[in-house]
Amino acid sequence: GENVEQHPSTLSVQEGDSAVIKCTYSDSASNYFPWYKQELGKGPQLIIDIRSNVGEKKDQRIAVTLNKTAKHFSLHITETQPEDSAVYFCAASRGDYGQNFVFGPGTRLSVLP
Amino acid sequence: SQTIHQWPATLVQPVGSPLSLECTVEGTSNPNLYWYRQAAGRGLQLLFYSIGIDQISSEVPQNLSASRPQDRQFILSSKKLLLSDSGFYLCAWSVFGASSEQYFGPGTRLTVT
Repeated sequence: GENVEQHPSTLSVQEGDSAVIKCTYSDSASNYFPWYKQELGKGPQLIIDIRSNVGEKKDQRIAVTLNKTAKHFSLHITETQPEDSAVYFCAASRGDYGQNFVFGPGTRLSVLP
Repeated sequence: SQTIHQWPATLVQPVGSPLSLECTVEGTSNPNLYWYRQAAGRGLQLLFYSIGIDQISSEVPQNLSASRPQDRQFILSSKKLLLSDSGFYLCAWSVFGASSEQYFGPGTRLTVT
């Protein structure tokens, strides 16, 4: 089955700097890769996603890149702000009938003022 | 717009007691529904998913069960809780069939004592 690894497990950056979180997946049939942000005590919120027919996607300060050959994808956050502090999860899916996601273990991002 | 509800928000139960967590979705029809568990500081583990009423698949063997008595209602149950059942339980939904985003509810924090 699919296995998703995520690095780093914790990341601290200064406000205004960029943050990059990387994920690798094992199943070459995976074709959908979402990123979620989870604040303490809340459910994860979808922040951006990418499909296998696209190499890069941007939404304001966040972007995601996908390298299908290497089977890895990354989340990029520019001009980080204290409210970006949270746990970020990547996931991979084959787009099966049940749309089952396999999640990475998460990255705790701290943006220091 | 679509909304997903979970209750209760928090629950403290003794070992051996039964469990019933409820999830409902508004604003959509025939959604895929999911139950995840998140241990403290860990990633999300898929427990059950459902593509329709009374159509439920289990991903992980455990003493939990799920039911879907109505199109937009998903229930997680246990006859006898174990200490290891403690965690943050999340319900999610996605559009039926298509490769699409999953949207999470606010979660239930379960502590088994």
